[in-house]
Amino acid sequence: EAQVTQNPRYLITVTGKKLTVTCSQNMNHEYMSWYRQDPGLGLRQIYYSMNVEVTDKGDVPEGYKVSRKEKRNFPLILESPSPNQTSLYFCASSLSPNSYEQYFGPGTRLTVT
Amino acid sequence: AQTVTQSQPEMSVQEAETVTLSCTYDTSESNYYLFWYKQPPSRQMILVIRQEAYKQQNATENRFSVNFQKAAKSFSLKISDSQLGDTAMYFCAFIHTSGTYKYIFGTGTRLKVLA
Repeated sequence: EAQVTQNPRYLITVTGKKLTVTCSQNMNHEYMSWYRQDPGLGLRQIYYSMNVEVTDKGDVPEGYKVSRKEKRNFPLILESPSPNQTSLYFCASSLSPNSYEQYFGPGTRLTVT
Repeated sequence: AQTVTQSQPEMSVQEAETVTLSCTYDTSESNYYLFWYKQPPSRQMILVIRQEAYKQQNATENRFSVNFQKAAKSFSLKISDSQLGDTAMYFCAFIHTSGTYKYIFGTGTRLKVLA
């Protein structure tokens, strides 16, 4: 089954404790992306990747890191999480940047206390 | 700056009736794609419809159609014969087809279909 998986689905952590949210797709997609969703703000793109070893900043990259060492994986790293990073995070992938559809993961609800 | 504006935070419609969700955007580029995504209570993001900016013909997918006005930078979504399953948050978005490939989303419109 074609899908984008994210782990964990829910995470509660404390300020400053490094964490990684994993994202994996099994569709051989080139384009992958991370978003955060906040009430009243919609979805905002954090980082995106055009292919292996090619990443670029979205609109809200501060406080986040990403890497794309393999085509299928695109982890999101928060080196020192802060409460303002409490949000719902989505990973998405598509065959190319403007192909017909982005496939979204199920979301990760992160709470930083 | 590239922006997407959805001016209706919430809307409601009676089952079987028609509703239109508005979206305006701002870009200096001429080549881009526009999208409407649906997010039901399950939180899953689902593509509803896509429009290529170079196409004058409005896209249609079953009960969903768009009114694309490129000069006005407007991209509204019309839902005909509304169904209870259409209850969701709807997001308008665009991406340029050259240069940077950032997706820009609007803030969303929460639609409730009433029985």
